[in-house]
Amino acid sequence: DAGITQSPRHKVTETGTPVTLRCHQTENHRYMYWYRQDPGHGLRLIHYSYGVKDTDKGEVSDGYSVSRSKTEDFLLTLESATSSQTSVYFCAISESLRAGVTDTQYFGPGTRLTVL
Amino acid sequence: GIQVEQSPPDLILQEGANSTLRCNFSDSVNNLQWFHQNPWGQLINLFYIPSGTKQNGRLSATTVATERYSLLYISSSQTTDSGVYFCAVEPQTGANNLFFGTGTRLTVIP
Repeated sequence: DAGITQSPRHKVTETGTPVTLRCHQTENHRYMYWYRQDPGHGLRLIHYSYGVKDTDKGEVSDGYSVSRSKTEDFLLTLESATSSQTSVYFCAISESLRAGVTDTQYFGPGTRLTVL
Repeated sequence: GIQVEQSPPDLILQEGANSTLRCNFSDSVNNLQWFHQNPWGQLINLFYIPSGTKQNGRLSATTVATERYSLLYISSSQTTDSGVYFCAVEPQTGANNLFFGTGTRLTVIP
């Protein structure tokens, strides 16, 4: 199994508070991703990173920011959590197969976030 | 953006039965991946299959890129096959990320 950990695994917080989720990999893969999973929507991309300090938005990026200061760590921050951000958050990693094409994605165990 | 549709949405099988899951996508892709999410929530990559056919034990997958669909075959199903199966594609145009279908929920009963 790919070495991907997420912390915390569970979190309950209140509306308006900041929250940071961490993804850590030991595979030295170039790409890292944050997804959220909600019933009826499958997985939707929030942000991704294609290298240290290189990030881009996904389809549901509003209300989220990310940072990647080291290859192995990718942080997802909810600046002011809202109830609509209650979800399960997954981190994933992949390598670059060739220019413009990524390789197999491997997922972390997920973080269940509840915003009251 | 690219549309990814999976069918059927739900499937109930008796143990030992075979099944075929389908994934249709609306645009050309660089790659296509199949994932299994087990009842504990863990997502496992099953296949990386932009085209052609691959087999892994009782599972096999076929992608016909020119016709924009992929099939996942499960033979001799077991209760451990239960969970949700997702198809995801990386479009040829745009960023290096995957777009997921909404999944097929498979329940295998003993």
